[in-house]
Amino acid sequence: EAAVTQSPRNKVAVTGGKVTLSCNQTNNHNNMYWYRQDTGHGLRLIHYSYGAGSTEKGDIPDGYKASRPSQENFSLILELATPSQTSVYFCASGELDQDTQYFGPGTRLLVL
Amino acid sequence: GDSVTQTEGLVTLTEGLPVMLNCTYQSTYSPFLFWYVQHLNEAPKLLLKSFTDNKRPEHQGFHATLHKSSSSFHLQKSSAQLSDSALYYCALSPPMNYNQGKLIFGQGTKLSIKP
Repeated sequence: EAAVTQSPRNKVAVTGGKVTLSCNQTNNHNNMYWYRQDTGHGLRLIHYSYGAGSTEKGDIPDGYKASRPSQENFSLILELATPSQTSVYFCASGELDQDTQYFGPGTRLLVL
Repeated sequence: GDSVTQTEGLVTLTEGLPVMLNCTYQSTYSPFLFWYVQHLNEAPKLLLKSFTDNKRPEHQGFHATLHKSSSSFHLQKSSAQLSDSALYYCALSPPMNYNQGKLIFGQGTKLSIKP
């Protein structure tokens, strides 16, 4: 079974503060993804990566940065958090030729 | 650009009745279509995926038929169970030659099954 973990699972941040969400996968997948989930919008892609050292902008990248220091780890960084970034964030891993993405348990972020 | 539309935000059914969740899509290519399911406080996970040879995918009593003529991939089940209550996402993936490894998700449909 695919294994994707995220930390922290819950986070409260202040407006203007820096937030780092971490994701680790033990699937040895090349591709990793960050999504946010909001009612009425579904899952929206923020950033993704094809492998260590690569990051690509997704559909809603503004206000977010990403870092992929290794095959296993993919971080999402909010340099200046805003209340509009309050959401549930999911990390996923997958392979280009298999389509299926395996999701982590999610991180609930509240920005006050 | 490619898109997926799920028109129903919430579907409420009585246990034992048939389920149908709607999904339509727009794509330049002939994409693969998926249904992902997310139970409360859990991660989304793959429920089923369309085949290239027009076979009908089935899993856990659910099935979906890809109709290219109407650009639809509706999810169906003959008899709803309480455990089917969850959030369901339809998603598409363009063919591999045109795909950057991204999935495009619909807005999601919450299915609520009542006793």
